[in-house]
Amino acid sequence: EDQVTQSPEALRLQEGESSSLNCSYTVSGLRGLFWYRQDPGKGPEFLFTLYSAGEEKEKERLKATLTKKESFLHITAPKPEDSATYLCAVYGGSQGNLIFGKGTKLSVKP
Amino acid sequence: ETGVTQSPTHLIKTRGQQVTLRCSSQSGHNTVSWYQQALGQGPQFIFQYYREEENGRGNFPPRFSGLQFPNYSSELNVNALELDDSALYLCASSLAGAGEAFFGQGTRLTVV
Repeated sequence: EDQVTQSPEALRLQEGESSSLNCSYTVSGLRGLFWYRQDPGKGPEFLFTLYSAGEEKEKERLKATLTKKESFLHITAPKPEDSATYLCAVYGGSQGNLIFGKGTKLSVKP
Repeated sequence: ETGVTQSPTHLIKTRGQQVTLRCSSQSGHNTVSWYQQALGQGPQFIFQYYREEENGRGNFPPRFSGLQFPNYSSELNVNALELDDSALYLCASSLAGAGEAFFGQGTRLTVV
């Protein structure tokens, strides 16, 4: 069964304290892995697409990496405005839809 | 380039009623997908429309139905509402065969 597991469920950081979020996945025929940011009550905002193991993408303080079984979202020197829920999703399997994890809720305190 | 827009943003319905949610896809995108997101959970796939036909469906009962129009906009209809249908309903548009999807702001449905 295709599935995505994210850890930790919640993460509290001090401003400037770097850390990583994990996304492990099981999917038949991975066609892409996606990271989204979601603010409370809003729709997910697209961040990155990764297609193959070894690929890396960066945007401001965020860097996403991909292996054959998991992806990491590294946050360098976070700021309070980085506080949000970060969702990981895979695209593959038979239905052609995105399969999401439950997300990691990140809180960054000043 | 316009993004994905959904209407209404909030809705309160009574158990047993029917509801229609609407979505305008991003310019140039021909595929629309609908997701249900319960509080504290990731979005769950309901169904996808391409060329006005349902093109994949998640584990949702037939009382969840949809339409896609020639301009690629879409509707989600839910009949016989249940309390557990209370959730954020998200519409996402994409190009066929591409996983990269862009989401609207969602419709918060509350069933009382």
